[in-house]
Amino acid sequence: EVVMTQSPATLSVSPGDRAALSCRASQSVSSNLAWYQQRPGQSPRLLIYDASTRATAIPARFSGSGSGTEFTLTIDSLQPEDFATYYCQQYDNWPRGGFTFGPGTKVDI
Amino acid sequence: EVQLLESGGRLVQPGGSLRLSCAASGFTFNKYGMTWVRQTPGKGLEWVSTFNGNGGNPHYADSVKGRFTISRDNSKNTLYLQMNSLRVDDTGIYFCAREDWGYYDSWGQGAQVIVSS
Repeated sequence: EVVMTQSPATLSVSPGDRAALSCRASQSVSSNLAWYQQRPGQSPRLLIYDASTRATAIPARFSGSGSGTEFTLTIDSLQPEDFATYYCQQYDNWPRGGFTFGPGTKVDI
Repeated sequence: EVQLLESGGRLVQPGGSLRLSCAASGFTFNKYGMTWVRQTPGKGLEWVSTFNGNGGNPHYADSVKGRFTISRDNSKNTLYLQMNSLRVDDTGIYFCAREDWGYYDSWGQGAQVIVSS
C-alpha cells in the first residue's frame, strides 16, 4: 500500500498570505495525485488532479506541482473561505483501487 | 448539475448489517465509476470500494473485503453498499463519490454510520 504523508499537520496563516502544503508518497505515484479541500461539516471538494490540473471552477490562486513522491499545493493570497483542511490522494493503481489519502493539513487563522 | 444523495445511515449494533444507497442525478450514471469513501476518527479519509463504470469487477479495501458488497442499478441511477458483520471501527461518515480516472470529482453529503452497543 502506498502511504501518504502531509506536512505540516496545521498551518497558521493570515488572510492574504501564501500557503504551501506538502504531500509525500512512500513510493512513486507518477503524477497520479489529487488535492481536496474540506470545510467543517462539508464533504471534500476536488481542487487539483493529475498533480497540477485545476478542477472545474477552482480559482487560479490554487496551484499544484510535483511528481513521483513529492507534491505541493500552493494557495496564493488566502481568502477567508480557504481556511479548511486539505487532503492529498494518490490513484496510481487505477482502476484497481487501493487509493490512499494523506492525513490532511489544516489551514487556520 | 451533478448531485449525489446518500441515505441509509443509522446506529447499528456490532455484528449487524446496513445498506447504504446513493442516488445520482445530473450526469450519465452508467458511464462513470462510482466509489464509497469513508471518514473515520481513527483513519481519516479511507477508500472503501469502487464499482467501475465499464462493468468491470468491483474493488474493495482489505479492511472491508468479505464483509461489504458494492453494487449499482444503472436503471435507477443508484449505487449501494451492503455492509455486514459491522465492527465498531466501521463507524464514520460514508461518502458516495463519482470517479474520473481515479480521482473523485463529485461527492455526496455523506451518511453517518454508528456501530455501537
